[in-house]
Amino acid sequence: EPEVTQTPSHQVTQMGQEVILRCVPISNHLYFYWYRQILGQKVEFLVSFYNNEISEKSEIFDDQFSVERPDGSNFTLKIRSTKLEDSAMYFCASQGRGRIQETQYFGPGTRLLVL
Amino acid sequence: AQKITQTQPGMFVQEKEAVTLDCTYDTSDQSYGLFWYKQPSSGEMIFLIYQGSYDEQNATEGRYSLNFQKARKSANLVISASQLGDSAMYFCAMREAYGQNFVFGPGTRLSVLP
Repeated sequence: EPEVTQTPSHQVTQMGQEVILRCVPISNHLYFYWYRQILGQKVEFLVSFYNNEISEKSEIFDDQFSVERPDGSNFTLKIRSTKLEDSAMYFCASQGRGRIQETQYFGPGTRLLVL
Repeated sequence: AQKITQTQPGMFVQEKEAVTLDCTYDTSDQSYGLFWYKQPSSGEMIFLIYQGSYDEQNATEGRYSLNFQKARKSANLVISASQLGDSAMYFCAMREAYGQNFVFGPGTRLSVLP
């Protein structure tokens, strides 16, 4: 069964460093998302991506964040200068056609720890 | 204002019994979708069940069913015959429009007791 994959599973970084989180969505999906979950809290939307551009972003997704789909398979989230409060689990999700009834398939997540 | 409310931060249930996890939502849209996800301690998000706003029947998927009461804006998850492996966080989520992101509730931690 197709699945969303994410690498790395864990990342530890120093405050101020750049990190890139990678995702490989399900191959025929068209809509891609990043969410984050601070430990013990709810899952929060960061950004959605469709047709090679950002379709929606939340207040959390400020200028420190960027996304791209460099090669038609990978979908990356870059945090330019990490802060302590960026420590969280980051989930990538993909969806086929964007219809309301379609579920989003989540990757296993990348646990980011900023020291 | 919270779009998705899950009023039970934690629930306990005896193995083999049924349990209901509450979810209420807030939207002015007529067309929307409601989803439940399970998050075990390993952290992944596992899709369980979907209910569309226009669906006339409550959704069912194996031991999972959704008690959908549109007028009350509630979409409670019912797990029948609980198993130890059901112990996890459960999130209710809503999508209001085509292609739009999910909005998640705060989650309910379910513990199944032997």
